[in-house]
Amino acid sequence: AQSVAQPEDQVNVAEGNPLTVKCTYSVSGNPYLFWYVQYPNRGLQFLLKYITGDNLVKGSYGFEAEFNKSQTSFHLKKPSALVSDSALYFCAVRDGEGYSTLTFGKGTMLLVSP
Amino acid sequence: ETGVTQSPTHLIKTRGQQVTLRCSSQSGHNTVSWYQQALGQGPQFIFQYYREEENGRGNFPPRFSGLQFPNYSSELNVNALELDDSALYLCASSFGTSNTGELFFGEGSRLTVL
Repeated sequence: AQSVAQPEDQVNVAEGNPLTVKCTYSVSGNPYLFWYVQYPNRGLQFLLKYITGDNLVKGSYGFEAEFNKSQTSFHLKKPSALVSDSALYFCAVRDGEGYSTLTFGKGTMLLVSP
Repeated sequence: ETGVTQSPTHLIKTRGQQVTLRCSSQSGHNTVSWYQQALGQGPQFIFQYYREEENGRGNFPPRFSGLQFPNYSSELNVNALELDDSALYLCASSFGTSNTGELFFGEGSRLTVL
């Protein structure tokens, strides 16, 4: 079975500082990894994905994520945080072997202070 | 391009009642997935429809059922509502069933069961 762990319920960072939101995964085959963001009372918005190729993936709103196969991690990063980045972030995984549904982590709340 | 739309946005039901939630997929998308997001949790996969057939189901009881129509819109039906069914129900659309494709989410229907 596939699973995702987001070890931090909340991440606090000051505006202008770099941010990292952590994610680790478990799949039996090759992982297909995704990050989504959810603003209050809204649906999920796609940020970026890793399927294959370069381990550093760039996405929307200046976010990027680094795939590390040996550590089974896919951490979300941004060089300079904005107050408007404050939201709930979800990491998700699919197993690349055969048909697979998208499995989400429990989410990490990012709070960026002015 | 029209995004994923869901209705109703909010509704309140009592235990034992039945509810129908509706979803219009994004233009050009033929696959619809439904997720349940309980408070403080990540989305949990309920089922997926592709070309009007259910082609994947999560760990939800049979009282959760669905339909997909020829225009690719979809319904989620829940019978014999229980208090634990209170959640945000998210619909997501995509084109095809590829494991590499991201999902596009609606803003959800928030169901409260009293």
